[in-house]
Amino acid sequence: AQRVTQPEKLLSVFKGAPVELKCNYSYSGSPELFWYVQYSRQRLQLLLRHISRESIKGFTADLNKGETSFHLKKPFAQEEDSAMYYCALSSGDKLTFGTGTRLAVRP
Amino acid sequence: EAGVAQSPRYKIIEKRQSVAFWCNPISGHATLYWYQQILGQGPKLLIQFQNNGVVDDSQLPKDRFSAERLKGVDSTLKIQPAKLEDSAVYLCASSLNSGGGTDTQYFGPGTRLTVL
Repeated sequence: AQRVTQPEKLLSVFKGAPVELKCNYSYSGSPELFWYVQYSRQRLQLLLRHISRESIKGFTADLNKGETSFHLKKPFAQEEDSAMYYCALSSGDKLTFGTGTRLAVRP
Repeated sequence: EAGVAQSPRYKIIEKRQSVAFWCNPISGHATLYWYQQILGQGPKLLIQFQNNGVVDDSQLPKDRFSAERLKGVDSTLKIQPAKLEDSAVYLCASSLNSGGGTDTQYFGPGTRLTVL
């Protein structure tokens, strides 16, 4: 069975500090990993996917198959990054979400 | 383009009552999903439709939950009778299903259900 683990419920950092949101997964096949974000009073939306290998809003995430991780990183946090972040794993079109990490960026 | 629409946005009912949620996906999207998100947890897939056929309903509690997408567009999710543990946000999402890998899912605003 596939499983996504986000060990931190809350991550609080100061503006300008580096950010790393942790995500670990278990899956027997070849995984496709995503990060979704939900800003206050907005819908859940896709932030990035590992196959794109792109940076969105300064965030990057690298799939590490050896450590079964897909951590989300940003070198300098901004206040507008404050949101709920969900890591998700896909098998076919079915997404399995982690429990989410709330990122709070303090001024 | 218009996003995924859901109604109602909020619903409060007593246990053992019935409730129905409605979802209108993005125009042209073949695949529609219903998720349940309990407070403090991530969204959990309840049912997935492709056009008007069910692809996956393995996590749908079929003794009380039902869903349909009769014309392959709008969808309704029903709970009858509701239990206290059904209190959650019910999210609808849709994707294009272009056939090339995992499509991006677009989410609606959700319906917050409170069962008293």
